[in-house]
Amino acid sequence: GAGVSQTPSNKVTEKGKYVELRCDPISGHTALYWYRQSLGQGPEFLIYFQGTGAADDSGLPNDRFFAVRPEGSVSTLKIQRTERGDSAVYLCASSFPGLAFNEQFFGPGTRLTVL
Amino acid sequence: AQSVTQLDSQVPVFEEAPVELRCNYSSSVSVYLFWYVQYPNQGLQLLLKYLSGSTLVKGINGFEAEFNKSQTSFHLRKPSVHISDTAEYFCAVSDIGDAGGTSYGKLTFGQGTILTVHP
Repeated sequence: GAGVSQTPSNKVTEKGKYVELRCDPISGHTALYWYRQSLGQGPEFLIYFQGTGAADDSGLPNDRFFAVRPEGSVSTLKIQRTERGDSAVYLCASSFPGLAFNEQFFGPGTRLTVL
Repeated sequence: AQSVTQLDSQVPVFEEAPVELRCNYSSSVSVYLFWYVQYPNQGLQLLLKYLSGSTLVKGINGFEAEFNKSQTSFHLRKPSVHISDTAEYFCAVSDIGDAGGTSYGKLTFGQGTILTVHP
C-alpha cells in the first residue's frame, strides 16, 4: 500500500524566499506530525495535527513557520523569509490514533537547502 | 519534558560481531520507548518498541532491546550483525499521556548512532 509521501524530495532556495513543503499521509490516518532533522541531529518535533486542527504547535521555532491541513488529509508546511539555519530535512509522519499507542509512519523527507 | 541521549555517535563493527547501541533517557513522567532505523535516503522505520510488560522486547531484523527503569536506559542489541544493518539508529521516547492512557505520541529523539558494519 501507499506510504507517506512528501514533495518535493529536494528544495533549494535563496535566503529570504518563501517555500512550501507538502505531505500526503497514509489514507485514513487522522494524526499528522512534522519534524525537522538538522545535519547530525535527531528529528525534532514541530507540529501535530488531529484532523484539520493543529493540536500542538509548540515545536515551531518562530512565526516564520506555519502549517495547514485544511481538509484533514494533505498538509503543507510553509516557511517565510527563509534563513540559512532553516536548512534541514523536514519529515512528515502520520498515524491512526489507537487506544494507547499511535505508531507513526514516516515519509522520506524533504531536504531543504537555503543558500 | 523528556530528553534522550545516545552515548555513541558512531559505532564501527565487523560483520557477524555482536553490537550494542546505548540509549539513556530522562523524563518526569512515564514514557514509551522506541528504536527507529534510517537507511540512506529512506524514511525512518520503526525497529521495536516498549509499551509495557516484559522489559526485553524483540524487533525486526533480529534486534532486541531491554528497558531498565532504574537506569533509565533502553539499549539496542544484536548478537550478529550483517552488512545490511549499516544505517543510522535513533532512540526515541513519547509520554504515556493522560489518565486514560492515550497519548498522541509526540516523539523526542536522540542524536542518532551511525552503525557501520565492515566485511
